[in-house]
Amino acid sequence: GENVEQHPSTLSVQEGDSAVIKCTYSDSASNYFPWYKQELGKGPQLIIDIRSNVGEKKDQRIAVTLNKTAKHFSLHITETQPEDSAVYFCAASGTNAGKSTFGDGTTLTVKP
Amino acid sequence: NAGVTQTPKFQVLKTGQSMTLQCAQDMNHNSMYWYRQDPGMGLRLIYYSASEGTTDKGEVPNGYNVSRLNKREFSLRLESAAPSQTSVYFCASSELVHEGTEAFFGQGTRLTVV
Repeated sequence: GENVEQHPSTLSVQEGDSAVIKCTYSDSASNYFPWYKQELGKGPQLIIDIRSNVGEKKDQRIAVTLNKTAKHFSLHITETQPEDSAVYFCAASGTNAGKSTFGDGTTLTVKP
Repeated sequence: NAGVTQTPKFQVLKTGQSMTLQCAQDMNHNSMYWYRQDPGMGLRLIYYSASEGTTDKGEVPNGYNVSRLNKREFSLRLESAAPSQTSVYFCASSELVHEGTEAFFGQGTRLTVV
C-alpha cells in the first residue's frame, strides 16, 4: 500500500518568515495530493491540493509543488502569521477514490 | 449547512464495554470514512464505505465494525473496548471520483478506555 512520510514533525518560525513542509510517497499510482490544516480541537480542513498533471499551485500565501519523478511534494507558506500555527498533514490518494494515506503531521508554531 | 456531524464528542468507557460512534453528512457524498488519530501518528484509516451498501477494511480495522445505514450515515462500533482504542476518532466524507477529491471531516470524538 501507499506510504507517506512527512518532515519535519515540528517547525517553529518567526512571524513573517516562510515555512516549508515536505512529504514523500511510495505509490507511483497516486495522483491526488491534498494538504490539511488542523486547529486544536477540530477536524482537519483542506487548505490546498494538487493533482499529478500539475507541478505547482498557488493560493495567496500558500503554494504546493509536486515532483512526480522523485515522488515528493511540498507545502510553502510565505509571510507566516500567528494564526497559521496549527498541525499540517499531507496526504496521497490514487484511483481508490478519496481513500487517502496521511503523513504523520507537522506542528507549525509561528512566534509573534 | 452542518457538513459532517459526529456524536458523541467525548466518551469514557470501561474495558470490555461496547459503544457506537455515529456520523452523518448532509453533502450528498457517496464515500465515507472512519479514521483514528493518535499522537505523532497522523490519521489512520479504520474502515471506509466507497458508496452506499459497501464497506471495506482500512489500515487498522481490528476491534471495530461499521455499518453504512444509508447514504447519509456511517457508524463505527467497538464491541469490546480496550485501552489501546483510546484515541480521537474522525469521520469524513467525499465524492466518489476516480482521481481523488477533498475529504470533509467532522469535529472528532475523543474516546478514553480505562
